[in-house]
Amino acid sequence: LAKTTQPISMDSYEGQEVNITCSHNNIATNDYITWYQQFPSQGPRFIIQGYKTKVTNEVASLFIPADRKSSTLSLPRVSLSDTAVYYCLVGEEAAGNKLTFGGGTRVLVKP
Amino acid sequence: GAVVSQHPSWVICKSGTSVKIECRSLDFQATTMFWYRQFPKQSLMLMATSNEGSKATYEQGVEKDKFLINHASLTLSTLTVTSAHPEDSSFYICSAREQGLKAFFGQGTRLTVV
Repeated sequence: LAKTTQPISMDSYEGQEVNITCSHNNIATNDYITWYQQFPSQGPRFIIQGYKTKVTNEVASLFIPADRKSSTLSLPRVSLSDTAVYYCLVGEEAAGNKLTFGGGTRVLVKP
Repeated sequence: GAVVSQHPSWVICKSGTSVKIECRSLDFQATTMFWYRQFPKQSLMLMATSNEGSKATYEQGVEKDKFLINHASLTLSTLTVTSAHPEDSSFYICSAREQGLKAFFGQGTRLTVV
């Protein structure tokens, strides 16, 4: 399983864009990159997933360079409710494959 | 999207008793489910992989006799914390994946052993 490295924490202000970069130097050919969000006392919630280049959905964008050794989650115009821990996970997308969580990034959005 | 439901959301039990936590996939079949434990301010730690119709696979350091896992059907896995002690107090989370798709997580169960 590819190991991931993320910043421990980040502070931001309402309305700003937040970019969280995750390093995964040992990513394998069949691995996808998935980001989850977790609020206190809740299970993680899927945010976005990608394999290469750029992926965008209604809540975030995911930028993946050609070498795929890193990825950046971009949260546009954050609000106070975006304060959470964000996890970057790398692995094959198969039902039996376990997901191993790294430390995650604690994002604090200030008013 | 797919939903994974966990029950109960919280439970308080006396030391020495056993507690069962249920995890259900509501609109898809899950041949594999995963159980995690999370301590305050820490990341999720994978405890075991629950396989429908067969024995669970435990991660290193997890006592299989203490954390009993049963995956009796394609939509239900249970985790039983046996002879619970205060150090077992934690947040337990289950997860399931549809074939080839992303993982879905239950809302978690806060266990407090007194």
